[in-house]
Amino acid sequence: DTGVSQNPRHKITKRGQNVTFRCDPISEHNRLYWYRQTLGQGPEFLTYFQNEAQLEKSRLLSDRFSAERPKGSFSTLEIQRTEQGDSAMYLCASSFGAGGLYGYTFGSGTRLTVV
Amino acid sequence: DAKTTQPNSMESNEEEPVHLPCNHSTISGTDYIHWYRQLPSQGPEYVIHGLTSNVNNRMASLAIAEDRKSSTLILHRATLRDAAVYYCILSSPGATNKLIFGTGTLLAVQP
Repeated sequence: DTGVSQNPRHKITKRGQNVTFRCDPISEHNRLYWYRQTLGQGPEFLTYFQNEAQLEKSRLLSDRFSAERPKGSFSTLEIQRTEQGDSAMYLCASSFGAGGLYGYTFGSGTRLTVV
Repeated sequence: DAKTTQPNSMESNEEEPVHLPCNHSTISGTDYIHWYRQLPSQGPEYVIHGLTSNVNNRMASLAIAEDRKSSTLILHRATLRDAAVYYCILSSPGATNKLIFGTGTLLAVQP
């Protein structure tokens, strides 16, 4: 197992375009999280899946953002009509059971630049 | 969510021990104390976590105060590869178990 994989690593897009990121968690991990990180700040929670069910969404996740985890395996995060304020590192993490007990594994992130 | 307070930055010399402090005075009885670190252009990496007792693993040790209002991450012999931002985070058991990150401590290691 190679850990949590995120693609692409970098994405440059023009304002107003749609973008989609993919996260492949560790195969036996049933919990999957998306975070966003801007320069100089710690990661901020966006949303959480347990298997295929999206169980929590942050207020940061505006209606331009949508996340899915079909079949409880990989997950996608889509941003529609991107804005310059969406420029950030988008991180995915997964855990088996309660991450508070066993820890979380993060991917290397997708860096989005909106120009 | 209970918050943590960490120094913005610390410096250490290579091969010396490093003690990274964290205050969490509003911790609840069921909160776990987590430490993650983040190297430049990488995602956060799990270091250690604990509830009440001190914990040791191959990366570090976690010393938890008796009243649990503070904790210290101990790197026994700092290397240049330990230079990173270290986050102390409280995680409440529950449906989500999400991590709430602060701004962390930027550790610089001098050769």
